[in-house]
Amino acid sequence: KQEVTQIPAALSVPEGENLVLNCSFTDSAIYNLQWFRQDPGKGLTSLLLIQSSQREQTSGRLNASLDKSSGRSTLYIAASQPGDSATYLCAVLSGFGNEKLTFGTGTRLTIIP
Amino acid sequence: EAGVAQSPRYKIIEKRQSVAFWCNPISGHATLYWYQQILGQGPKLLIQFQNNGVVDDSQLPKDRFSAERLKGVDSTLKIQPAKLEDSAVYLCASSLGLWFTSGAPSYEQYFGPGTRLTVT
Repeated sequence: KQEVTQIPAALSVPEGENLVLNCSFTDSAIYNLQWFRQDPGKGLTSLLLIQSSQREQTSGRLNASLDKSSGRSTLYIAASQPGDSATYLCAVLSGFGNEKLTFGTGTRLTIIP
Repeated sequence: EAGVAQSPRYKIIEKRQSVAFWCNPISGHATLYWYQQILGQGPKLLIQFQNNGVVDDSQLPKDRFSAERLKGVDSTLKIQPAKLEDSAVYLCASSLGLWFTSGAPSYEQYFGPGTRLTVT
C-alpha cells in the first residue's frame, strides 16, 4: 500500500528566503508525482506534475525534483512571497491496473512579511 | 474554461440527518472523483467514475454513503445518516481520464472548491 509523507508539517520563513518542502513515498513504482497548493477554504490547485521518467519540472519560482529510486521529491520555492502562504500537498499516482492518487498530509507554509 | 463547480460550499447538519453534495465537472472530462479531506489530512478517494460507471468505490462507506453520476456529467454524493466523524471537506475533481504519454500513464486532476461539512 502506497504511503506518502511530508515533512515538516508546518514551516514559517521570512519573506525573500528560498525554501524546500519534502515528500517521500514508500512504493517507488509510481507513474507520476504532483505538487498541489491549497489555500484555506479552497480546493486544490495543481502546481507541477513530474512524470516517472523525469527528474524535475520548473514553473516560475517553483522547481520540483523527483528521485524515484529513493522515493523522494522536493519542491523548491525561490524568493518566497507572502502570497506563497498556503498548504502544499504532494501526491503520487501508482497502482498497476488500478491507478490511484495518494496524497501526503501536507506542509502548511507561512511567509512572514 | 470553467472549472469544477460544487455546491453547497458549506453545510451544517445534526448527526443522523441526511445531506447531499453536487458536482459539475469540467466539460468533456470523462473521469470524476469524490474525495474526503479531514482536517489536517490529505484527501482520501471515496469514489471514482468513468463516464457514468463506477471504477473504484473501495473506500466508500457504503452503509451510509452513496454516489451517482447520471448521464455521465454531473454527480451527487449523499450521506445518510451522517455521523460526527463525517465532518470534513468533500472535494470533487475531474480529469480527461487516464491517458498515456511516452509509454507511461498520466493524468491531471482539476479540483473544485469543496464543500465543508460540519456534523454536530
